[in-house]
Amino acid sequence: KAGVTQTPRYLIKTRGQQVTLSCSPISGHRSVSWYQQTPGQGLQFLFEYFSETQRNKGNFPGRFSGRQFSNSRSEMNVSTLELGDSALYLCASSLGDRGLSEQFFGPGTRLTVL
Amino acid sequence: AQSVSQHNHHVILSEAASLELGCNYSYGGTVNLFWYVQYPGQHLQLLLKYFSGDPLVKGIKGFEAEFIKSKFSFNLRKPSVQWSDTAEYFCAVSPIYNQGGKLIFGQGTELSVKP
Repeated sequence: KAGVTQTPRYLIKTRGQQVTLSCSPISGHRSVSWYQQTPGQGLQFLFEYFSETQRNKGNFPGRFSGRQFSNSRSEMNVSTLELGDSALYLCASSLGDRGLSEQFFGPGTRLTVL
Repeated sequence: AQSVSQHNHHVILSEAASLELGCNYSYGGTVNLFWYVQYPGQHLQLLLKYFSGDPLVKGIKGFEAEFIKSKFSFNLRKPSVQWSDTAEYFCAVSPIYNQGGKLIFGQGTELSVKP
């Protein structure tokens, strides 16, 4: 079974721009969660989508948004980029069966904001 | 607020030494518990998980963890580490009411094993 894939793997943007990251979950997984990883803050939960609906949300500003498509693929968008948005963005997928399965992580997208 | 605390930021051991990494969480409700590992240059991988039942769980590569509910702890252990265990280890908690979609991570413990 193919693992979680994320594209692109690396991105360089400038302040004020917007960016869209993509995540393809493991086949059969209906839940996709997004995390931000930085040296200072560690791994922080952004949001989770299940069956095209946002089911959980972390404490990030509204500039961070996401969506999920009918095939469970998910995108994450960050608008009006700030220097502090530079991070590794991780996507994870799971079956989504009410907490009875673990999350599998992708390799991440490394975003650098200049 | 929900949080996870890992006791050590950086641990240095010699091969064959025993390992114990501490993890405590603050949350009053029912949780699922996980340990993930991130080897250099690789993505996060699941080491082991606890959902219910026997509080002593065994994972891959000889790792085990014990859930002590009264202490809100989920410590990771390995009797004899190898150089290949050099990695960063993350403890994570998932409140049941989030239906598995939200993981709260500790800050991570970097383990360096000297050959």
